[in-house]
Amino acid sequence: DVKVTQSSRYLVKRTGEKVFLECVQDMDHENMFWYRQDPGLGLRLIYFSYDVKMKEKGDIPEGYSVSREKKERFSLILESASTNQTSMYLCASSLWSGGRFYEQYFGPGTRLTVT
Amino acid sequence: AQKITQTQPGMFVQEKEAVTLDCTYDTSDPSYGLFWYKQPSSGEMIFLIYQGSYDQQNATEGRYSLNFQKARKSANLVISASQLGDSAMYFCAMREADQTGANNLFFGTGTRLTVIP
Repeated sequence: DVKVTQSSRYLVKRTGEKVFLECVQDMDHENMFWYRQDPGLGLRLIYFSYDVKMKEKGDIPEGYSVSREKKERFSLILESASTNQTSMYLCASSLWSGGRFYEQYFGPGTRLTVT
Repeated sequence: AQKITQTQPGMFVQEKEAVTLDCTYDTSDPSYGLFWYKQPSSGEMIFLIYQGSYDQQNATEGRYSLNFQKARKSANLVISASQLGDSAMYFCAMREADQTGANNLFFGTGTRLTVIP
């Protein structure tokens, strides 16, 4: 079974703190993704990575950065957390396309609250 | 323009009945994939079903089927014989080909399905 794990289910941080969200997948997937989910807005892509050390901005990258030093691990970093970054964060992974459309496998999510 | 539109914020269905969740999409790319995901209250996104733009047949997976109407750009999810465990948020999503090969997913805003006993 594909397994995507995220370091925390719930996290509470203070405004201005640096926050690290970790994601690990065990299926040797090339692609990894970070989304945030807000009510009424669905899932919005923050960043994605299609190879080690490679990253691309998604739809809402402002205020976030990412790191992928190893294939199985993709980290989302909030450089200086703000209250508008309170949200559910979902990590996903998938195989590289090779001309096909593979499904993405999701982790359980991290509910981040910034106070 | 929205790439994926789900116009039903909430739906109710009687247990054992069938229900259709609507999804329309917008793309000019001839090659794309359409996905449905289920998100129970636990929060994890569960992949349900996939339809490729070149697939001739509508996709089916157990009680799930995808009513794919390419000319209308719609990809509705049909759940037959609803069960209480089907109560969840349902998201329609689309992947288009891109240069990186990552093929990002674009999500709709979701439909909350409630199954009534």
